[in-house]
Amino acid sequence: VQLVQSGPELKRPGASVKVSCKTSGFTFTSATATISWVRQAPGQGLEWMGWISTSSGHTNFAQEFKGRISMTTDTSTSTVYMEMRGLRSDDTAVYYCARDNDSKYGSWDYWGQGTLVTVSS
Amino acid sequence: DIQMTQSPSSLSASLGDRVTITCRASQNIDNYLNWYQQKPGKAPKVLIYGASSSQTGVPSRFSGSGTGTDFTLTITGLQPEDCATYYCQQTFSTPRTLGQGTRVEL
Repeated sequence: VQLVQSGPELKRPGASVKVSCKTSGFTFTSATATISWVRQAPGQGLEWMGWISTSSGHTNFAQEFKGRISMTTDTSTSTVYMEMRGLRSDDTAVYYCARDNDSKYGSWDYWGQGTLVTVSS
Repeated sequence: DIQMTQSPSSLSASLGDRVTITCRASQNIDNYLNWYQQKPGKAPKVLIYGASSSQTGVPSRFSGSGTGTDFTLTITGLQPEDCATYYCQQTFSTPRTLGQGTRVEL
């Protein structure tokens, strides 16, 4: 299993960013497959943003991000996308995609390498 | 939302020591508790899932215990490569929430 993310981004406040997560090594369209996005501000802890079902496209977002993020998939390339709008300086963080293990405990068993998004004027 | 509280926030221990990190949930989460290790500049790595099951390939010195609201991660015989930050995560409900992290130093 591999998750490979897109490269670093520098954005102005108010802009949007779209980060990709190309997956391989598992059945992307499995009914139980989900990918979560987790972010980590500099020197801070991990924060779950939401997940997407890679088979149905159903999403579940943390309240903090509702209305500001979207998650989509491209089944032809087994890629997941996370787009965030209205960027602020406190959105500066490393953004990770992670596979939710399909056991009942749903741990994040495989991770992307992370994408640094810097929001600065 | 379920709040996860770890203690301590940081600790310093000696080579070979037994290290214990505690995680408390704000409500009952049964055993829907996972532990992660993160080294600087790297993505986290799952160590323990379901409160006490070891992820494949994780050294046997790492163990987890607990159920309900109180959980522990124990490192028996601290090694230099164990210097990292450790996070607990609940998967009982959404939103998924994590503890604030425990930094382990030698």
